[in-house]
Amino acid sequence: QVQLVQSGAEVKKPGASVKVSCKASGYTFTSYYMHWVRQAPGQGLEWMGMLNPTDGSANYAQRFQGRVTMTRDTSTTTVYMELSSLGSEDTAVYYCGREMHGGYHDYWGQGTLVTVSS
Amino acid sequence: QTVVTQEPSLTVSPGGTVTLTCASSRGVVSSDYHPNWFQQKPGQAPRALIYSTSNRHSWTPARFSGSLLGGKAALTVSGVQPEDEAEYFCLLYSGDGTWVFGGGTKLTVL
Repeated sequence: QVQLVQSGAEVKKPGASVKVSCKASGYTFTSYYMHWVRQAPGQGLEWMGMLNPTDGSANYAQRFQGRVTMTRDTSTTTVYMELSSLGSEDTAVYYCGREMHGGYHDYWGQGTLVTVSS
Repeated sequence: QTVVTQEPSLTVSPGGTVTLTCASSRGVVSSDYHPNWFQQKPGQAPRALIYSTSNRHSWTPARFSGSLLGGKAALTVSGVQPEDEAEYFCLLYSGDGTWVFGGGTKLTVL
């Protein structure tokens, strides 16, 4: 069965970076894009960007340009999202979710809580 | 930067019908925006309900339907059940390789 399993909770200091992983299984890794979405406490969902696992190309939301990097390791079918220059406003639950080209979004990871605090 | 707008909150009686909408600051929402709808309950990850405007996933109850209505994407819940109380988010493709979520609609079943 399809599974997206994310890494555990992180606590970071302001100015640091965080790297969250999303291990995919149960399907052909390169057949689906991987999206990253976050949700700050009590807020809505915010789209951050997406990665094409086939060639490693990525598109990012404008507000995260220069601060986010999405990569993948095809040997372990894992996608990574690294966010740098963290501030308190980056405290959120981060989710990965897959999409088949053409707008077919379906499975999501369980979420990873990132807390930024001094 | 595209802004996607949803009703902040709606209330419906059990057994009733409710329609949630999703508008884009870019104009009329069409199938080219690939509207997706998600349900989220407190403390849980989002769950996909509808993709590409009107297609249900295998796990989506038949009472949920998606459409285009009055220039917007729409999610209609017919015969609302108490377990449908949740927050609902739409997701639209911006056409430039990026996607945008709506702000979400909190649906209360009362």
